[in-house]
Amino acid sequence: DTEVTQTPKHLVMGMTNKKSLKCEQHMGHRAMYWYKQKAKKPPELMFVYSYEKLSINESVPSRFSPECPNSSLLNLHLHALQPEDSALYLCASRPTSGEWYEQYFGPGTRLTVT
Amino acid sequence: EDQVTQSPEALRLQEGESSSLNCSYTVSGLRGLFWYRQDPGKGPEFLFTLYSAGEEKEKERLKATLTKKESFLHITAPKPEDSATYLCAVQARGGGADGLTFGKGTHLIIQP
Repeated sequence: DTEVTQTPKHLVMGMTNKKSLKCEQHMGHRAMYWYKQKAKKPPELMFVYSYEKLSINESVPSRFSPECPNSSLLNLHLHALQPEDSALYLCASRPTSGEWYEQYFGPGTRLTVT
Repeated sequence: EDQVTQSPEALRLQEGESSSLNCSYTVSGLRGLFWYRQDPGKGPEFLFTLYSAGEEKEKERLKATLTKKESFLHITAPKPEDSATYLCAVQARGGGADGLTFGKGTHLIIQP
């Protein structure tokens, strides 16, 4: 099973709202990622968690706040977003042993900021 | 800086018309090259990992190959359901759980 799940599938929020995106995997992967993908563009890396610790933050604005409460869950907390933050937000995970480089992506959350 | 360039940007084929997609890369040290398929509004679906020059992998109508500078995704006798955007990505050596560097993708349309 190589399933990564993400909720919600769609989210519409105002610029003053606070919302959270959720990602879950039960494959025992200890590396988890958040990517942002704008229309007709490739995914861009936002955050990397390794063994539940933030290892990479690609200079993402503080209105995006990641959290990894345990080895299966990854959250992305959103606050005071701008319309240009509207995008598909993708979660991915990969194993950290064996053929451990390939990342498995979830279906994404389509975020619209109004 | 790692760079991935995919060509063509878009490709329209007739059903059964075989072709190849190109991915050229510049990376300080290649840990792995990955091919993904992405349907509109969905997350990328993993297809192949290639680790070293000369390596080849196949899955149904798809075959991926790797040289020291580029990778090809060969599509043999494609069907309309193969229509999608195909993304190439690299991961460089450097330790840690680094993210992938993606190319811009090839948008493939297979016409019946």
